[in-house]
Amino acid sequence: QQQVKQSPQSLIVQKGGISIINCAYENTAFDYFPWYQQFPGKGPALLIAIRPDVSEKKEGRFTISFNKSAKQFSLHIMDSQPGDSATYFCAASMRGAQKLVFGQGTRLTINP
Amino acid sequence: DGGITQSPKYLFRKEGQNVTLSCEQNLNHDAMYWYRQDPGQGLRLIYYSQIVNDFQKGDIAEGYSVSREKKESFPLTVTSAQKNPTAFYLCASSIGMAGTSYEQYFGPGTRLTVT
Repeated sequence: QQQVKQSPQSLIVQKGGISIINCAYENTAFDYFPWYQQFPGKGPALLIAIRPDVSEKKEGRFTISFNKSAKQFSLHIMDSQPGDSATYFCAASMRGAQKLVFGQGTRLTINP
Repeated sequence: DGGITQSPKYLFRKEGQNVTLSCEQNLNHDAMYWYRQDPGQGLRLIYYSQIVNDFQKGDIAEGYSVSREKKESFPLTVTSAQKNPTAFYLCASSIGMAGTSYEQYFGPGTRLTVT
């Protein structure tokens, strides 16, 4: 019940295309869903996050879509660029827990 | 310049030796975390601390130990009891129970190789 399942493991997208990464969870007590971006040899950096009271959040080219009934959320990267090539992690946390549960990660490659 | 520092960036040890990884933050955060990252397995929580002089085991605490004597520092010791210590170790911090944000900020990581 504490797991967050992320797919796909790897993804190749052409420059200018839309990259979509999906995550699913079981624990309905989760109330915070962030996405992190990690470049090789670096620590992850927070990209965007959503709470379950909204179905979508957009920041620039990055959008989180949240489906509470399906217990799924996804990251959409519009107009994908080679600089977006990185590993992306979804995560979830529940109120008061002060811990994040991470998905397994998706290695995204944007071909020029 | 606020942030989290981890040192060293690369660390090499012989099997059977204990090794301590450093993590310092100047963000005035109450909570600090240690994660281990292996290829294809995401980030797994080793230990976390919500306040000075207190810490809790995460999902994979066996073979590791921590201390939290100062708010700014949360060192991790990889003991000889850890069966597969070679990995990328990440330290993180968050504002903690005092705030409503769950955002965690990560350091640059330490890559430990044990041979």
